[in-house]
Amino acid sequence: DAGVTQSPTHLIKTRGQQVTLRCSPKSGHDTVSWYQQALGQGPQFIFQYYEEEERQRGNFPDRFSGHQFPNYSSELNVNALLLGDSALYLCASSSGLAGDHEQFFGPGTRLTVL
Amino acid sequence: AQRVTQPEKLLSVFKGAPVELKCNYSYSGSPELFWYVQYSRQRLQLLLRHISRESIKGFTADLNKGETSFHLKKPFAQEEDSAMYYCALRANNAGNMLTFGGGTRLMVKP
Repeated sequence: DAGVTQSPTHLIKTRGQQVTLRCSPKSGHDTVSWYQQALGQGPQFIFQYYEEEERQRGNFPDRFSGHQFPNYSSELNVNALLLGDSALYLCASSSGLAGDHEQFFGPGTRLTVL
Repeated sequence: AQRVTQPEKLLSVFKGAPVELKCNYSYSGSPELFWYVQYSRQRLQLLLRHISRESIKGFTADLNKGETSFHLKKPFAQEEDSAMYYCALRANNAGNMLTFGGGTRLMVKP
């Protein structure tokens, strides 16, 4: 099991563009959470998906949206990119919504907005 | 809203010295606290959680509700402990949502 995988590894975009990041959860996991980690800061929760629905959302604007597919993989979309969106985007997977089970993190996608 | 504070960005100690990484939180309910670690070129991984009350790699952490702290301690630091350490909090009914602190880089010098 490769664990949580994310693609692409790195991405460079310009302001105003749109980007899609992808995440495949660890085998057996059905819940995916996304975090944004700006340089020198801790990860910040964006949202969480379970059963193909957004279940929880952090303090992020509507420009950030997502999707979960029947195979539990997930996408994070960011529209109208701003310079401040430059960050490492982490995906984490777990089993269920209750929070009792450990979250496993992916390696992240490094997004640079020019 | 909950908040996690790690006051030290960098902590440098010599091998064999004791280590204490500080974590303070603010939350009105009863939280669950975690320590995550990220070694060089590796992904973020769970080190320990307060409800398990176990020692992992010689590290322990005790939840002090009176002082709203969850400091990470190890009596004798090893060079392989050098890494980024993040304290995180999960609020009641928050599912899997974690609130992270800003992280502390631990450097253990030989």
